Amino acid sequence: ETGVTQSPTHLIKTRGQQVTLRCSSQSGHNTVSWYQQALGQGPQFIFQYYREEENGRGNFPPRFSGLQFPNYSSELNVNALELDDSALYLCASSLKLSGTYEQYFGPGTRLTVT
Amino acid sequence: AQTVTQSQPEMSVQEAETVTLSCTYDTSENNYYLFWYKQPPSRQMILVIRQEAYKQQNATENRFSVNFQKAAKSFSLKISDSQLGDTAMYFCAFMKPSVSGNTPLVFGKGTRLSVIA
Repeated sequence: ETGVTQSPTHLIKTRGQQVTLRCSSQSGHNTVSWYQQALGQGPQFIFQYYREEENGRGNFPPRFSGLQFPNYSSELNVNALELDDSALYLCASSLKLSGTYEQYFGPGTRLTVT
Repeated sequence: AQTVTQSQPEMSVQEAETVTLSCTYDTSENNYYLFWYKQPPSRQMILVIRQEAYKQQNATENRFSVNFQKAAKSFSLKISDSQLGDTAMYFCAFMKPSVSGNTPLVFGKGTRLSVIA
């Protein structure tokens, strides 16, 4: 176990709707990264938050947004859902400047857009 | 931009045998980290082994070891004495360190390993 949890486990939404996915980081970890993993692919970086500020973004449109809270939890919000947003969404927590560069992953949320 | 290539979509190995998973990467960086992650059907991504590019010695973790060839940009994973619990997707990943701390992982497409009894 990595100490990182995500909710919900599965989610089904309709195209055009909005969704919020949640992540609880390992205690003391000040950095959270979100990844999208399409079926049969490796995870793709969406964005990273450090001390409640966005600290880097991958090649994802602005309708993907996030929040990080002081209690080490975070959210990924996706607006105007598209069919291609169907994927496994992973969050990973880490301790910035720890020197180990190790990221601890949660079990993921499987999002299906119909 | 960095890229990671895993050329073996699927592999299988008999229990107790040894298997090697391949990974190549492309980067112009001199200092970086390479990782192998395991993702079982439970979906939880678990770190298997880590290699710092500045270290010439290959990393080992119990039954898992790597063959890191920096000049060839190759980073293969060897699993010895394969066990049924090793059945999973294996991802090779690259990370470029920065002064600001942790940076995103760049993953390959993965290799699905099946261990057969």
